[in-house]
Amino acid sequence: DVKVTQSSRYLVKRTGEKVFLECVQDMDHENMFWYRQDPGLGLRLIYFSYDVKMKEKGDIPEGYSVSREKKERFSLILESASTNQTSMYLCASSAQLAGEDEQYFGPGTRLTVT
Amino acid sequence: DAKTTQPTSMDCAEGRAANLPCNHSTISGNEYVYWYRQIHSQGPQYIIHGLKNNETNEMASLIITEDRKSSTLILPHATLRDTAVYYCIVRTDSWGKLQFGAGTQVVVTP
Repeated sequence: DVKVTQSSRYLVKRTGEKVFLECVQDMDHENMFWYRQDPGLGLRLIYFSYDVKMKEKGDIPEGYSVSREKKERFSLILESASTNQTSMYLCASSAQLAGEDEQYFGPGTRLTVT
Repeated sequence: DAKTTQPTSMDCAEGRAANLPCNHSTISGNEYVYWYRQIHSQGPQYIIHGLKNNETNEMASLIITEDRKSSTLILPHATLRDTAVYYCIVRTDSWGKLQFGAGTQVVVTP
């Protein structure tokens, strides 16, 4: 079974703090994704990466950055956390970017910024 | 990507088949129909996908109409653990972004 793990299920941070969310996948997938999920807005793509050290902006990259130094690990960084970044963050991985490709999601990290 | 329309919610009795409809009337020829589900407080889970033909796997069956304007996800023998939000997504083959809508909240009752 594909396994995508995220470093924390719940996280509470203060406004202005730098926040790191870690994601690890064990299936040697090329592609990894970061989404956030908010009530009424569904899932929105923040960033994705199709190879080590490669990244592309998604729909809502403002206020976030990412790092992919190793194939299995994709980190989401909130440089200076703000209250509007309180959300559920979901990491996903996939073997292909195009065509018939399913994404495998981690359990999510519920981040609260106070 | 084409938009999809799903009912907001539906109930299903345990052990019975659950038939989840999805309308995607603006789907184009190179767009796949994907289904995911999200159990409360968990990440979404891939269920099945198809292009033109009906598909079946160990979790579900996907029936796509001949004109491809709608599809139905069938859970053949619903269990309480199938209670979740089910998302129907239409996606091009160009790259991997998933557009999740509101989905259908399915509640399986004993």
